[in-house]
Amino acid sequence: GQSLEQPSEVTAVEGAIVQINCTYQTSGFYGLSWYQQHDGGAPTFLSYNALDGLEETGRFSSFLSRSDSYGYLLLQELQMKDSASYFCAAREDSSYKLIFGSGTRLLVRP
Amino acid sequence: SQTIHQWPATLVQPVGSPLSLECTVEGTSNPNLYWYRQAAGRGLQLLFYSVGIGQISSEVPQNLSASRPQDRQFILSSKKLLLSDSGFYLCAWSVTPDTQYFGPGTRLTVL
Repeated sequence: GQSLEQPSEVTAVEGAIVQINCTYQTSGFYGLSWYQQHDGGAPTFLSYNALDGLEETGRFSSFLSRSDSYGYLLLQELQMKDSASYFCAAREDSSYKLIFGSGTRLLVRP
Repeated sequence: SQTIHQWPATLVQPVGSPLSLECTVEGTSNPNLYWYRQAAGRGLQLLFYSVGIGQISSEVPQNLSASRPQDRQFILSSKKLLLSDSGFYLCAWSVTPDTQYFGPGTRLTVL
């Protein structure tokens, strides 16, 4: 089986930087994905790391370390609209299934 | 560009009634299709996925079923709804499993 663990809640101030961690346990691993979900809305894809290192997309960056079974999502220059839930996800072995973490609720304060 | 549609957006159904939720995708061919359910404040639970017409993989044994009658159409059904079937139902499509694109979702309340 496979499991992903992430903190349940993170609070940060507008304009600051926040890091959301994700650790995973898996019998097979292809890469780590990140999704954002605003309250009442559907998840939207943010980023995918197949290789170790940092991937940058605007204010958002995602990092993966396969040797540590660990990844994180980094949000810079936080804005109020970044308040949402963030999910890490990984594929289970060679299947078509994506296993999601339980989500981290980010609250951005003024 | 690709678009995914789901309907209805909200649904209130009595216990024991049937269910049919539909999802269609435009702008792509032979997508992988998925049905998820999300309880309030919780993560995503994969219910079914399909890699082609008529090919359905079930992840959670329950009173729900899925069908894929056409390449870009995915239907979630139930013959008799239970209270525990309430939740936010999300359809998604992908080319590769790691990058999925979700529809707007259907919020189902079973009373």
